Amino acid sequence: GQNIDQPTEMTATEGAIVQINCTYQTSGFNGLFWYQQHAGEAPTFLSYNVLDGLEEKGRFSSFLSRSKGYSYLLLKELQMKDSASYLCAYALTSYKLIFGSGTRLLVRP
Amino acid sequence: NAGVTQTPKFRILKIGQSMTLQCTQDMNHNYMYWYRQDPGMGLKLIYYSVGAGITDKGEVPNGYNVSRSTTEDFPLRLELAAPSQTSVYFCASSRQGSETQYFGPGTRLLVL
Repeated sequence: GQNIDQPTEMTATEGAIVQINCTYQTSGFNGLFWYQQHAGEAPTFLSYNVLDGLEEKGRFSSFLSRSKGYSYLLLKELQMKDSASYLCAYALTSYKLIFGSGTRLLVRP
Repeated sequence: NAGVTQTPKFRILKIGQSMTLQCTQDMNHNYMYWYRQDPGMGLKLIYYSVGAGITDKGEVPNGYNVSRSTTEDFPLRLELAAPSQTSVYFCASSRQGSETQYFGPGTRLLVL
């Protein structure tokens, strides 16, 4: 079956680094997405990994290990505006995303 | 481009009523999707479409219907509203499968 897991909540300090982990089990895999969702708003795309390794995009990086069913999102130089939920999702097929429940990140001054 | 737009933003329905949630995208995307998001949960796929005239069920299709007569529009129909359908509904689109999905602002639905 399909299963995806990420921590419910995390807290970090402004200026610090935080790593949000995501593990999944699936019979089909077409890539791993990370989305950011501020409270009351729509999800917005952050990153997409289809091959193993690290993808860096400014302050955000995303890592994927397909053999371990594991991904993480790394946020550097945290800012207050980074307080949001971070949704991990894998593509079961080319058009069907399976979302985790999201990790609520609180950035404190 | 306006991207993905949804109407209404918020609606209260009585049990048994019906309504249509509207979704329009102006990016000429082939793929469109409807999700629901319950409080503190991730998104669940209700229905999706890979092009005009083609729709298929997602994870949680019961109680909903869709149509895709044009590339731009993908309305979601609730025929007999139930309290279990209280949720936030997001429409999304992508150019092709396995590409970035762009989400609309959402419709908050309360069924009492």
